[in-house]
Amino acid sequence: AQSVTQLGSHVSVSEGALVLLRCNYSSSVPPYLFWYVQYPNQGLQLLLKYTTGATLVKGINGFEAEFKKSETSFHLTKPSAHMSDAAEYFCAVKSDTGFQKLVFGTGTRLLVSP
Amino acid sequence: KAGVTQTPRYLIKTRGQQVTLSCSPISGHRSVSWYQQTPGQGLQFLFEYFSETQRNKGNFPGRFSGRQFSNSRSEMNVSTLELGDSALYLCASSLDRVDNSPLHFGNGTRLTVT
Repeated sequence: AQSVTQLGSHVSVSEGALVLLRCNYSSSVPPYLFWYVQYPNQGLQLLLKYTTGATLVKGINGFEAEFKKSETSFHLTKPSAHMSDAAEYFCAVKSDTGFQKLVFGTGTRLLVSP
Repeated sequence: KAGVTQTPRYLIKTRGQQVTLSCSPISGHRSVSWYQQTPGQGLQFLFEYFSETQRNKGNFPGRFSGRQFSNSRSEMNVSTLELGDSALYLCASSLDRVDNSPLHFGNGTRLTVT
């Protein structure tokens, strides 16, 4: 079964610093990977999705993710953090048992200090 | 284009009661999925509907049920509520069931069971 692991339940950065949120996946077939963001009292917003064959995927709000098959990773990065980036971030993979079933990681809360 | 709409946003119910949550997908989207989000268990898949048929079901008791109407709107029902059912219930829609078709989430219904 497909699964994802997010390392670090909390990540703290200063405004303007690099953001790196880690996600490793487990999959026996080419994975369909996604990053979502959740702001307080809101649902999940799609940041980006992995497209087969790509190594660097660009998303919204300046975020991007690098797919590394050799490391089974799909880490999310942003060169310069803004205060408005403070939120919870979820990595997800489409389950191999059904096309529209997402399996989520446990989430990483990003804290941005001035 | 309007996003996924969930009603109501907040609900307070008593143990033993039942509750119905509603979800209107993005116009043209035919797949609707439901997820439960709790601090302890994270995001868990409940079920998915496509063309008025349940396609996938998560590991939840039979008290959790759902349905989809011909206009793709969906409802989920929880009977005999328990304290542990307190959670944020998220509905998501997608255009189709292609593997990398992303899910678009609503803002959720926060259910509190007392």
